[in-house]
Amino acid sequence: GAVVSQHPSRVICKSGTSVKIECRSLDFQATTMFWYRQFPKKSLMLMATSNEGSKATYEQGVEKDKFLINHASLTLSTLTVTSAHPEDSSFYICSASRGHLNTEAFFGQGTRLTVV
Amino acid sequence: GQQVMQIPQYQHVQEGEDFTTYCNSSTTLSNIQWYKQRPGGHPVFLIQLVKSGEVKKQKRLTFQFGEAKKNSSLHITATQTTDVGTYFCAGRGETSGSRLTFGEGTQLTVNP
Repeated sequence: GAVVSQHPSRVICKSGTSVKIECRSLDFQATTMFWYRQFPKKSLMLMATSNEGSKATYEQGVEKDKFLINHASLTLSTLTVTSAHPEDSSFYICSASRGHLNTEAFFGQGTRLTVV
Repeated sequence: GQQVMQIPQYQHVQEGEDFTTYCNSSTTLSNIQWYKQRPGGHPVFLIQLVKSGEVKKQKRLTFQFGEAKKNSSLHITATQTTDVGTYFCAGRGETSGSRLTFGEGTQLTVNP
């Protein structure tokens, strides 16, 4: 099956610093990728839809200036958490679908972010 | 907007017992997908249902899509400890470009 790689898997950063998370589709081109946030024992909360070559579409309540998304190529989307605070600590996970959107979503391994 | 509700939130069973999780959408869906997330892992696709009333089986897992395409269920027969994890349904609306909306998930624990 298709593979989506997410890096890093874990990161610890100090308050006020920025963290960049990468999401790569390894064997297919993804014009659209999705970024989710997952709290412990909770469901996946869609944060934004990353569109190659254009601005990301953010869900209501998600600060676009805090969670910067860049989708510079058909195989790479990045999420940058700017000026991180402890409340940003969470599990961030990306997904992409091969071709048409009505297909299965392949998830990256997720990134466990801890802000201290 | 589209909402997908899933019950129960938690389910504890003895190994060998059956398990069912139910998913309901506030709107008609074009398709519904099921995912499994093991503790500490990421969601992994299990199956997609598209047709009204569709039933699909994967070994001990049976997936159903309601006639109205607004609800779905996942049934596991004779659970095993390897079935432990959280099962999510995810529905996509009928309008073009609708995104996948995930249910809250059902966390299954299996006592040996």
